[in-house]
Amino acid sequence: DQQVKQNSPSLSVQEGRISILNCDYTNSMFDYFLWYKKYPAEGPTFLISISSIKDKNEDGRFTVFLNKSAKHLSLHIVPSQPGDSAVYFCAGLYSGAGSYQLTFGKGTKLSVIP
Amino acid sequence: DAGITQSPRHKVTETGTPVTLRCHQTENHRYMYWYRQDPGHGLRLIHYSYGVKDTDKGEVSDGYSVSRSKTEDFLLTLESATSSQTSVYFCAARAFEAGNEQFFGPGTRLTVL
Repeated sequence: DQQVKQNSPSLSVQEGRISILNCDYTNSMFDYFLWYKKYPAEGPTFLISISSIKDKNEDGRFTVFLNKSAKHLSLHIVPSQPGDSAVYFCAGLYSGAGSYQLTFGKGTKLSVIP
Repeated sequence: DAGITQSPRHKVTETGTPVTLRCHQTENHRYMYWYRQDPGHGLRLIHYSYGVKDTDKGEVSDGYSVSRSKTEDFLLTLESATSSQTSVYFCAARAFEAGNEQFFGPGTRLTVL
């Protein structure tokens, strides 16, 4: 059972436009949701997070929106830059039993075209 | 990168041989994790540790064991490697008092022939 789903394997966007990456989840026990960015041959790097009790969090060009009733979140990147080209992973955090486990989606490959 | 290193960075081995991957961190993080990344699967948790000598299983723990005898080191062992364990392995760490993010190492690419 896939608890975190990223249904778009890839996305192409023109430089300067908005990139919208989507993520759906099934586990209502997640306390936080995180987005990670990954370049080839490197480890994932943390991008932005949102608490399950919030509906929006913004950090510079990156904004994450959470629709808890729909169990859906999205990452908006505005404006998109060629350096944003990477694989983006959505993850749900469960802090129960003190484990702070992350459950990742399969990722979406973003290509920003100059 | 929160001072996380992994060794080796690349390894090729044969089916049936034991393999140990090492994760080393310099930030005194309490929590450490091992993930594997495979095409079409994203990152999946293998094992994690919540302190020295305190470990637990993740989603895909079969065929793997871990040990943590010091805060800074978290070892992942494949007792008898199989071709299905060919993957990229990532170590991550999280500070107890920090935010919810985990910091990842650069990864180890393991090929089992």
